[in-house]
Amino acid sequence: QKEVEQNSGPLSVPEGAIASLNCTYSDRGSQSFFWYRQYSGKSPELIMFIYSNGDKEDGRFTAQLNKASQYVSLLIRDSQPSDSATYLCAVSDSGYSTLTFGKGTMLLVSP
Amino acid sequence: NAGVTQTPKFQVLKTGQSMTLQCAQDMNHNSMYWYRQDPGMGLRLIYYSASEGTTDKGEVPNGYNVSRLNKREFSLRLESAAPSQTSVYFCACAKGTSNQPQHFGDGTRLSIL
Repeated sequence: QKEVEQNSGPLSVPEGAIASLNCTYSDRGSQSFFWYRQYSGKSPELIMFIYSNGDKEDGRFTAQLNKASQYVSLLIRDSQPSDSATYLCAVSDSGYSTLTFGKGTMLLVSP
Repeated sequence: NAGVTQTPKFQVLKTGQSMTLQCAQDMNHNSMYWYRQDPGMGLRLIYYSASEGTTDKGEVPNGYNVSRLNKREFSLRLESAAPSQTSVYFCACAKGTSNQPQHFGDGTRLSIL
């Protein structure tokens, strides 16, 4: 049973702070990792994806991957109230057929 | 430039009724997916189609059937709806296999009484 674990939160941060969201996964053969943002009542929206160990930056977002420790994280710099949402981590299976999603971490950014 | 279109957006059914959820994508992607999302359970894969002409079961396929009608369309059918199938259903597509990002439709909110 492939598992993707996320802290359900809520993670509360003040506006302007760095939010750090973490995800661990069980399938050591996983190769592709995705972060989605989901506002309440809306569909998941892709934020970033990462395939290689290390950091990948896109604007205020940085994805970090450590395959040896089987974790992936998302950093949001200069957090804004509009970043308040649930963040879903998704991990590919080793057969490249499907994604397994974590249950998501709720982020609350207070003004 | 619609991306992934799901119909209907909302539906209420009675137990035992049947229904087909429709999904169409204009992204020219090969792979399509059906998920359900329940509170506290996250997104769970029901069925997927890696390419036109193929379908495979996901994590929670019982009570559902799918049809990949052509490259653009992938439908999900509930033959005899049960209250446990009350959920939000999302369709997604991806260019290829799971090393490609998936793009989601707006969802169908289904209630079964």
